[in-house]
Amino acid sequence: SQQGEEDPQALSIQEGENATMNCSYKTSINNLQWYRQNSGRGLVHLILIRSNEREKHSGRLRVTLDTSKKSSSLLITASRAADTASYFCATDEAGNMLTFGGGTRLMVKP
Amino acid sequence: NAGVTQTPKFQVLKTGQSMTLQCAQDMNHEYMSWYRQDPGMGLRLIHYSVGAGITDQGEVPNGYNVSRSTTEDFPLRLLSAAPSQTSVYFCASSYSGNRGSYEQYFGPGTRLTVT
Repeated sequence: SQQGEEDPQALSIQEGENATMNCSYKTSINNLQWYRQNSGRGLVHLILIRSNEREKHSGRLRVTLDTSKKSSSLLITASRAADTASYFCATDEAGNMLTFGGGTRLMVKP
Repeated sequence: NAGVTQTPKFQVLKTGQSMTLQCAQDMNHEYMSWYRQDPGMGLRLIHYSVGAGITDQGEVPNGYNVSRSTTEDFPLRLLSAAPSQTSVYFCASSYSGNRGSYEQYFGPGTRLTVT
């Protein structure tokens, strides 16, 4: 079963707008990661946020983590056509496994 | 560095055939793993390894074997291919498997079709 679940499943916006996608998980975690996957390619790591962190920034990306609600959000500001991709959250479980959600498909229209 | 490499990129098998998907990394990573991704879905963990000589099962291990004789290589073997194993397979590596604390580096994937 998948630990993280992304919402929405699909998102379509215009270039320049902000994109927000959410991830919810079920059990306690130490870390949560976000990845991007361009069509037909492997996943690329975007950002890792630890359970004792509430917010983290990387360029145009902002990730928040609310452990009380077991949720995280990824905000992409001033989106570009090149941001079109699927975005996945991944959480660590007991042991050495990283579990991925089903992803959010983002389309940014020029 | 080549990063994580996977071969082949595409493969078509008949039901019942066996084959090995190759994965190699040149970053001296301890942790390696195999995932499968079905259309429109996230990744599901098949097997993983925290170091040479050590492997363990993930979420969907049935029908697959792995071995880790060296730090660099982590092949995935399909014992008797079934249509349900049609999927895209990704290999990943990271510095450590310590509770997912490190970013995963992914290979480009192998697209497998079983007829």
